[in-house]
This record gives sequence, structure tokens and C-alpha cells, in this order.
Amino acid sequence: NAGVTQTPKFRILKIGQSMTLQCAQDMNHNYMYWYRQDPGMGLKLIYYSVGAGITDKGEVPNGYNVSRSTTEDFPLRLELAAPSQTSVYFCASLGGSADTQYFGPGTRLTVL
Amino acid sequence: AQSVTQPDIHITVSEGASLELRCNYSYGATPYLFWYVQSPGQGLQLLLKYFSGDTLVQGIKGFEAEFKRSQSSFNLRKPSVHWSDAAEYFCAVAPPGYSTLTFGKGTMLLVSP
Repeated sequence: NAGVTQTPKFRILKIGQSMTLQCAQDMNHNYMYWYRQDPGMGLKLIYYSVGAGITDKGEVPNGYNVSRSTTEDFPLRLELAAPSQTSVYFCASLGGSADTQYFGPGTRLTVL
Repeated sequence: AQSVTQPDIHITVSEGASLELRCNYSYGATPYLFWYVQSPGQGLQLLLKYFSGDTLVQGIKGFEAEFKRSQSSFNLRKPSVHWSDAAEYFCAVAPPGYSTLTFGKGTMLLVSP
């Protein structure tokens, strides 16, 4: 199993540009998550999904959108990039309530 | 809503010395509790978790944690720290049957020779 994979690893955007961060998992997990990590702030939940076709907002959803058309993929969309979205983004998946969240390697995004 | 406090932003420990990282949570009942470790430029790796039962939990890499309900704490310990343990450590909490985790802000561990 590859586990949770994320692409790209690094990206620089200009203000106002848009992009999609890709996340995929091959563990047939129903739950998937997007977090952002800023220095000294821990991880903040952006969006999560409990299954294909179902998504919900986390703590910091503004400026982001998600979709979940398949169990495997959970892309995160930034429509109008802003400097405040400079961060490291982590995707995670969870197999069930007694299981553990497995994290991807992260995407480091800089908005200039 | 649940919350997690890691009171120490940075801790420096000599190699070979013991380690304790503090974690306090706020939740009305007994939550699920986790410790994750993050090496520089890497994702998060689970060290250990507590759901129920024995309050002393053993994890990977020689770490253990003890759940103390009376103190709402879940402190992480290691008897002898190695230089490779230098990393950032995150405590996290979830309600039973959870679907989302709440993370603390992390404690950066520095290991001196």
C-alpha cells in the first residue's frame, strides 16, 4: 500500500491564482481530512469527508473548497490564493472510529 | 467542544536523560487521546493512542503515555532520549467514536549532546 499520497510537494502561487492540491489513499478508508499547519499553531482542520459525496467544514474552511467523488480521492481547491494561505497542507485518512488517522507527507504552499 | 493544551513550546533534554511532555485536554467525558511525532519536513507519525482500558499505554520508539482522568492529562514519557528523538510532538484528542481530531500546538524537543 502507498498509504496517503499528496501532490505536489511544493508550489508557489501568485495572489489570485487558483490551484488544486491532490490527495489519494489506497486503504479504502471512508474518512478523509485536510489540515493546514502554521508554525506554532498545530494543525487546523479545513474540511473533512465521511464518504464519497459527503463533505463538511472544519475549523478554517474559508477560501477553500473540496469534493469527494470517489473513496480514494479528496482534492482541495484554492480559488483565489491569498498570502494568508501560505502554509503546509496535510491530507489524512481514517478507516473507522477505532482506527488511527494516517497522514500524507504534506504540500508546502507559498502565496506571493 | 474539546481542546488540547501543550504548555511547553520548546523543551531541551540531554541525550540519555528522561523526557516528559505534557498534554492537558478539555472534554466532558473520557476522550480518545493520541500522540503524534513530526520530524522536520515530514508528515505526522502516530506514537501511541488511548481509547480505554489500561491507563498506561506503550507506543513505538520506546515511548509511553499515562492517562490521568483526575488531572485531564495524557503526558508522554521516555526513559532515555536519543538524538534521533529531536522532533515536534503533538497531542490530539477526539470524542469517542470520533470523526475529527483536535490537535495541540505542539512541543518542539531539542536533544543536546
